[in-house]
Amino acid sequence: EDQVTQSPEALRLQEGESSSLNCSYTVSGLRGLFWYRQDPGKGPEFLFTLYSAGEEKEKERLKATLTKKESFLHITAPKPEDSATYLCAVQASNDMRFGAGTRLTVKP
Amino acid sequence: KAGVTQTPRYLIKTRGQQVTLSCSPISGHRSVSWYQQTPGQGLQFLFEYFSETQRNKGNFPGRFSGRQFSNSRSEMNVSTLELGDSALYLCASSSQGVGNEKLFFGSGTQLSVL
Repeated sequence: EDQVTQSPEALRLQEGESSSLNCSYTVSGLRGLFWYRQDPGKGPEFLFTLYSAGEEKEKERLKATLTKKESFLHITAPKPEDSATYLCAVQASNDMRFGAGTRLTVKP
Repeated sequence: KAGVTQTPRYLIKTRGQQVTLSCSPISGHRSVSWYQQTPGQGLQFLFEYFSETQRNKGNFPGRFSGRQFSNSRSEMNVSTLELGDSALYLCASSSQGVGNEKLFFGSGTQLSVL
């Protein structure tokens, strides 16, 4: 069965303290892996799409990487405004599977 | 360009009732997909409509149904509400469909079933 697992569930960082979020997946026929950011009371906002192992994408302090089994979202020198829940999702055959998310808190 | 609009923002219903939620996609987008988000189960795919046709469906009971109109606006209906249906219902739109490109999400409808 297709599964998407994100870790850790929650992460507290000091401003400037870099870290990584993990998304591991077991999907037959991966068509794409997506990262979204969700703020409280809002819908998810698109960050990145990765399609093949070895691919990397960057945006400001965020960098997403993909292997055959997992994806990482690296956050470099985070700021308090990076606090949010980060969701990964995989597109398999006919549906989109989301992970439970990592709730990131960045303290000033 | 206006974003994805969902109405109503909040809804309170009692068990056994039915509810209809509305979603207006970004202008020009032909795909609308629906998701249920709960603290325990996370975000789960309900179904996708593309040009008025249901293209994909998640693993939800038949009480959950939807439709899409010629102007791409979509409605989702839940009949015979159960307590476990309490959730944030999100819709998303795109021009090509789920998995082909990024999705644009609305802010959701928070449904509480008492």
